[in-house]
Amino acid sequence: TQLLEQSPQFLSIQEGENLTVYCNSSSVFSSLQWYRQEPGEGPVLLVTVVTGGEVKKLKRLTFQFGDARKDSSLHITAAQPGDTGLYLCAGLTGTASKLTFGTGTRLQVTL
Amino acid sequence: NAGVMQNPRHLVRRRGQEARLRCSPMKGHSHVYWYRQLPEEGLKFMVYLQKENIIDESGMPKERFSAEFPKEGPSILRIQQVVRGDSAAYFCASSPGQLGMNTEAFFGQGTRLTVV
Repeated sequence: TQLLEQSPQFLSIQEGENLTVYCNSSSVFSSLQWYRQEPGEGPVLLVTVVTGGEVKKLKRLTFQFGDARKDSSLHITAAQPGDTGLYLCAGLTGTASKLTFGTGTRLQVTL
Repeated sequence: NAGVMQNPRHLVRRRGQEARLRCSPMKGHSHVYWYRQLPEEGLKFMVYLQKENIIDESGMPKERFSAEFPKEGPSILRIQQVVRGDSAAYFCASSPGQLGMNTEAFFGQGTRLTVV
């Protein structure tokens, strides 16, 4: 069974602070995706990383895929209240057309 | 182009009743996935279907749960004789083809099942 562990599980910070969320596994993934989910809604895809060592930026969000394609990180610069939500990483293996989701990181950004 | 549509959004069932959750994929999408989410947890894969076929049901409980995706109409996740532990949010996702680096899954808003 492939497991994706996210840390921290909960994070409460003030507006303007920086933060990093980690997603770790002992399994290798062909690609890894990050989603944000708001209460009462389904997950919305933020980014897909494919190549080991890849870095992608989406405005204030920076995503990195580990060299061995077993881990990933999400860094948010100058967090805003609109960043509040549940952040989920999800890995895809080449042999199975299904996403394995991480345990989730609940982020709250306050004024 | 409407997104993935799930209904109902909220469903309350008494223990022992049946729950039927429906999912209409995005137009042109023939691949459907069902996931279950408990409060404050990630999504757990249940089943992957293509039109009229179950491709992977490795995440489905062996009893009481079934899924179908008929040639016409929505995909249905059916839970018979519901128990309190079935209370969760059930999400459906669809994709135009097999998931890969260039093929994305789009999620619906989910059905929140409460068993009383």
